[in-house]
Amino acid sequence: DAGVIQSPRHEVTEMGQEVTLRCKPISGHDYLFWYRQTMMRGLELLIYFNNNVPIDDSGMPEDRFSAKMPNASFSTLKIQPSEPRDSAVYFCASSFTQAGNEQFFGPGTRLTVL
Amino acid sequence: GQNIDQPTEMTATEGAIVQINCTYQTSGFNGLFWYQQHAGEAPTFLSYNVLDGLEEKGRFSSFLSRSKGYSYLLLKELQMKDSASYLCALKSNYQLIWGAGTKLIIKP
Repeated sequence: DAGVIQSPRHEVTEMGQEVTLRCKPISGHDYLFWYRQTMMRGLELLIYFNNNVPIDDSGMPEDRFSAKMPNASFSTLKIQPSEPRDSAVYFCASSFTQAGNEQFFGPGTRLTVL
Repeated sequence: GQNIDQPTEMTATEGAIVQINCTYQTSGFNGLFWYQQHAGEAPTFLSYNVLDGLEEKGRFSSFLSRSKGYSYLLLKELQMKDSASYLCALKSNYQLIWGAGTKLIIKP
């Protein structure tokens, strides 16, 4: 298996622009998580899905952030409009219900908002 | 509520042993994970404890005491490649509540 795939790996954009981050979880995994990591705040859970349904989005910082999972093999995290304080590394992770719930992380997207 | 505490940074010598502690408070405990994260990379799974005691996996071991709200990760025969951040995470339902991580610096 190729593992969790994220794109793009790096994104540099200007304040006010829309940013879309993409994730393909490991095939067969039924949980998908979006995280944000910064030096100041560490690893923060933004939202997670079970069987493509959003379960908890309480970590989404504000209405500028939205996430979708239209099918079992694809999810997006969108920021519109982006702000400099959104600069961080965004990780997608997936897990399988019956496998001890170990989460497998993608390589992350490093977002810089100028 | 839930709270996780681990040291910010530790330094150890190549070939030595180091213990990274994690204390936690939670209203519902379903297990504790340790992850390793090298700079610029994603976290990777190291260990999972749900019952009290020591779990050994090669050079790495993890210990849990649920009554004390305490876990540690023990790294033996340290190698330079062990320089990384080590994150403790509480399992709550299907979420993980993450500690801030301990940056481990290995010196020759």
